[in-house]
Amino acid sequence: DTGVSQDPRHKITKRGQNVTFRCDPISEHNRLYWYRQTLGQGPEFLTYFQNEAQLEKSRLLSDRFSAERPKGSFSTLEIQRTEQGDSAMYLCASSSQPLYRGEKLFFGSGTQLSVL
Amino acid sequence: AQSVSQHNHHVILSEAASLELGCNYSYGGTVNLFWYVQYPGQHLQLLLKYFSGDPLVKGIKGFEAEFIKSKFSFNLRKPSVQWSDTAEYFCAVNAQNAGNMLTFGGGTRLMVKP
Repeated sequence: DTGVSQDPRHKITKRGQNVTFRCDPISEHNRLYWYRQTLGQGPEFLTYFQNEAQLEKSRLLSDRFSAERPKGSFSTLEIQRTEQGDSAMYLCASSSQPLYRGEKLFFGSGTQLSVL
Repeated sequence: AQSVSQHNHHVILSEAASLELGCNYSYGGTVNLFWYVQYPGQHLQLLLKYFSGDPLVKGIKGFEAEFIKSKFSFNLRKPSVQWSDTAEYFCAVNAQNAGNMLTFGGGTRLMVKP
């Protein structure tokens, strides 16, 4: 079990720039999740993939956010025209079974985004 | 929409003290309930979960939680904490109508003094 890996660990960008984060889930997990966590808060759900299909999206995911999982393995999360309010920790998680079966999520260490 | 409330944002205890962290959720239907923990410098990991059956569930490191459906609660307990339990604890709920969305509480930072 190599765990969920995320890259980069930290990203500093200027307002208005585009950023892209990558997540590599545990290899046998076909379910992948993105969450966002701001200081002093719990993680907030952004989106969910089953294999390459993006099946669920939160209202938090504005038009500036796009996530892909082209081959059902790694995933990317892109934020266009970043705003200071986008500053947060972006967490990726994966699982082999759906949540409604009581499955646990395996989280990565996250990408900390700072928008100046 | 479902929501999760954790009553204590910060808790400071001495070693060997007993711990109870409160968690309440707002959803009247079937739920799966989780407690996740984040130790300093580490990623979030599962402490314990309730899926069905016995409402008293036991997790790793001597933690347990009790699901009380009538109170919409899933409080976390440990009879005797250790310095190594210093971490942030998150309660989370997956409601039946919420697909694969996990809703987290705001977290409780626990500091255990040696």
